[in-house]
Amino acid sequence: NAGVTQTPKFQVLKTGQSMTLQCAQDMNHEYMSWYRQDPGMGLRLIHYSVGAGITDQGEVPNGYNVSRSTTEDFPLRLLSAAPSQTSVYFCASSTQGVVNSPLHFGNGTRLTVT
Amino acid sequence: AQSVTQLDSHVSVSEGTPVLLRCNYSSSYSPSLFWYVQHPNKGLQLLLKYTSAATLVKGINGFEAEFKKSETSFHLTKPSAHMSDAAEYFCVVGQYSSASKIIFGSGTRLSIRP
Repeated sequence: NAGVTQTPKFQVLKTGQSMTLQCAQDMNHEYMSWYRQDPGMGLRLIHYSVGAGITDQGEVPNGYNVSRSTTEDFPLRLLSAAPSQTSVYFCASSTQGVVNSPLHFGNGTRLTVT
Repeated sequence: AQSVTQLDSHVSVSEGTPVLLRCNYSSSYSPSLFWYVQHPNKGLQLLLKYTSAATLVKGINGFEAEFKKSETSFHLTKPSAHMSDAAEYFCVVGQYSSASKIIFGSGTRLSIRP
């Protein structure tokens, strides 16, 4: 049971560089989302998707892009990395939204922007 | 609008003694409420959820939480702490009027003293 798989586990970027954080799930979940976790702030929603071809912004979307071409994959793109994007990023999925069913999380990607 | 407040950023208890992690919420509609646990360098895992079926909710690893509408609280308890309970705990609120969004509390770090 792979569940939600995130790659890479760690990444260091220089300011201005771009990169893609990968997320894949094998549970056939319609709902997928990206969160960032910063000390003392809980988790904040970046972008989410309720199905292939459908994405929407969360609480802190600026500087990030997403796409959902398949049910399984939901990559997060940093367009031009900034030190404020230093954080731990979590991908999560659920069967039908988040109110009726629990989220399944990946193990996170720790990103440092210098 | 919905919000969630975890009243303690850090709780320390001795092994074998009771655990109480406090959570207050605000929601315009009937809420759904969750507790998640995050062990070091891991993603979040669901402990339990409240969805109006019963006010006392039992979760995994001996944890339970009681929904008190009059107090707008959803505190997490465990009768006897174990060393393996040391982790970060997040209270989460969602409401059915906004099916794709939930709010995470800022987290409570639980330490267990031998």
